Amino acid sequence: GESVGLHLPTLSVQEGDNSIINCAYSNSASDYFIWYKQESGKGPQFIIDIRSNMDKRQGQRVTVLLNKTVKHLSLQIAATQPGDSAVYFCAERGAGSYQLTFGKGTKLSVIP
Amino acid sequence: DTAVSQTPKYLVTQMGNDKSIKCEQNLGHDTMYWYKQDSKKFLKIMFSYNNKELIINETVPNRFSPKSPDKAHLNLHINSLELGDSAVYFCASSRGTSGGARYEQYFGPGTRLTVT
Repeated sequence: GESVGLHLPTLSVQEGDNSIINCAYSNSASDYFIWYKQESGKGPQFIIDIRSNMDKRQGQRVTVLLNKTVKHLSLQIAATQPGDSAVYFCAERGAGSYQLTFGKGTKLSVIP
Repeated sequence: DTAVSQTPKYLVTQMGNDKSIKCEQNLGHDTMYWYKQDSKKFLKIMFSYNNKELIINETVPNRFSPKSPDKAHLNLHINSLELGDSAVYFCASSRGTSGGARYEQYFGPGTRLTVT
């Protein structure tokens, strides 16, 4: 079936720099996308979401960009902090469904 | 004030045993889920349960059976445990399709199952 994937499995950034985590999706019918953060030993935690009728949404230090033309989703974290170190997942929801399909995850390591 | 809770957090058992994992949510959500996360961190949906309707992922062995005594609880029972069942199991909940706007799922802390 169609799936959500990530370009980079690991990402190391210097503290204070901006981070960009990318995600490619293949289901053109998906209408809702979410980014989750999973810290070691914990469950995934919601960060930010975006509907398919938008191309950008901003939160606190985070921005999600959606490019439906190339089916690409990205998460930007401004001024990355050590507490941002975690595995980040993108997830998509197919139109008419309430179930999410998760991507493979990207591990973000912040270098102090 | 835990939103989604699971017990136990760790479960170590031998092959062939039967075990259960419990999940409770106090968010008033209509829909609950079970996910399996493997050693590579891949999250895979196993079941979703929306207003008494159970949706089963076809790739899940029938040794796994979800049981929902009420809307706030969705337990996972596993029969005849196998080595390959070792993973972290996450329960989650969401508003489902009601309300329209938000479909975010809230996850529990996970249960690490080790089968020896």
